[in-house]
Amino acid sequence: GQQLNQSPQSMFIQEGEDVSMNCTSSSIFNTWLWYKQDPGEGPVLLIALYKAGELTSNGRLTAQFGITRKDSFLNISASIPSDVGIYFCAGQLGLSGTASKLTFGTGTRLQVTL
Amino acid sequence: GAVVSQHPSWVICKSGTSVKIECRSLDFQATTMFWYRQFPKQSLMLMATSNEGSKATYEQGVEKDKFLINHASLTLSTLTVTSAHPEDSSFYICSARDQGASNQPQHFGDGTRLSIL
Repeated sequence: GQQLNQSPQSMFIQEGEDVSMNCTSSSIFNTWLWYKQDPGEGPVLLIALYKAGELTSNGRLTAQFGITRKDSFLNISASIPSDVGIYFCAGQLGLSGTASKLTFGTGTRLQVTL
Repeated sequence: GAVVSQHPSWVICKSGTSVKIECRSLDFQATTMFWYRQFPKQSLMLMATSNEGSKATYEQGVEKDKFLINHASLTLSTLTVTSAHPEDSSFYICSARDQGASNQPQHFGDGTRLSIL
């Protein structure tokens, strides 16, 4: 099946640094979502974006829905050790039925060193 | 908030066994639930869309006779891996959305790790 391209694939950063990752698609989505997954657990929703151009924050996290509807980025400011994990973007065409299925990105693995 | 529960969280069984995994929405109703599979160090790949009261919609390449899905109520979907083999070992995750709320995103269960010996 289709996957969205995420970059970088992995990153090692120091505590306190800012992090930026992005997600691109060859096709349009009407909703973009960012999830974090810890080992052995299901993804947890971080931010949901519903409008092209929308910029939304959730604490230290900020995400934007690209104006072309084919991309999105996630920024994490002042990283802390508990930010470690795998971050996935996901695109969605609609909000009901089969259209609400998610297409996931390839993931960005974040490691934070003290 | 919306909670999705999966059971069991871990299954180890012999090759040829059939395994049933349950996905429940605990405090909301969901006419649609989704089943994903995730292999180690990979992303989540959608297997099928589970539709309450009707047949599931399978993604290309997913065998419907191998992965049986039943969505008999608005809060429960089950995935049965029939005659499981080692190559079916994976992390299976379900998701659901509160159909009664607008602009509500999907929430995921904690996954089921399936290991076939």
